[in-house]
Amino acid sequence: KNEVEQSPQNLTAQEGEFITINCSYSVGISALHWLQQHPGGGIVSLFMLSSGKKKHGRLIATINIQEKHSSLHITASHPRDSAVYICAGGPGNQFYFGTGTSLTVIP
Amino acid sequence: EPEVTQTPSHQVTQMGQEVILRCVPISNHLYFYWYRQILGQKVEFLVSFYNNEISEKSEIFDDQFSVERPDGSNFTLKIRSTKLEDSAMYFCASRMGGPGNTIYFGEGSWLTVV
Repeated sequence: KNEVEQSPQNLTAQEGEFITINCSYSVGISALHWLQQHPGGGIVSLFMLSSGKKKHGRLIATINIQEKHSSLHITASHPRDSAVYICAGGPGNQFYFGTGTSLTVIP
Repeated sequence: EPEVTQTPSHQVTQMGQEVILRCVPISNHLYFYWYRQILGQKVEFLVSFYNNEISEKSEIFDDQFSVERPDGSNFTLKIRSTKLEDSAMYFCASRMGGPGNTIYFGEGSWLTVV
């Protein structure tokens, strides 16, 4: 049973394309997190959402609490956006992680 | 920008040996976490720590594992008798408050058990 599901698992895009990564969850969460994992393994927090929408530069994250769904959008994608994007959340301190979406942006 | 630091970045150990992974969380943070990621798999929660005690732990976090905050700055994960299946990247994380606060991850400690 996967508490957090992501799609797609792998995504290849041309530089400049608009990208969407989806996340659905079955657990109750206090907030949903979008994380970026670099090829070297390090994890960076991109967004924390409990409602609505957040924007940071070319990245936009939305969440629909009723539908238990969140999306991460990247506008004008760039090769440096290539990474694994992970959504995660949980009811308390315990996080459930999605399997990640591996994004490759080709110049 | 403040960051969570972890040492060592990579450790190779013999099966059955004890391993201690160290973390220095961000200084004003109160909640601390350990996660692991087996190669090719998703990140898994191990344990959360608040107010000098474990607040939640997963079923992975059995008696072989322990955590400690020995001196008010370091946060350690000890694996008492390592097994081959403990080979993974271990991430420490911290945040200022509980759920609803941004979480900050360290760069990870890659443990290889041989």
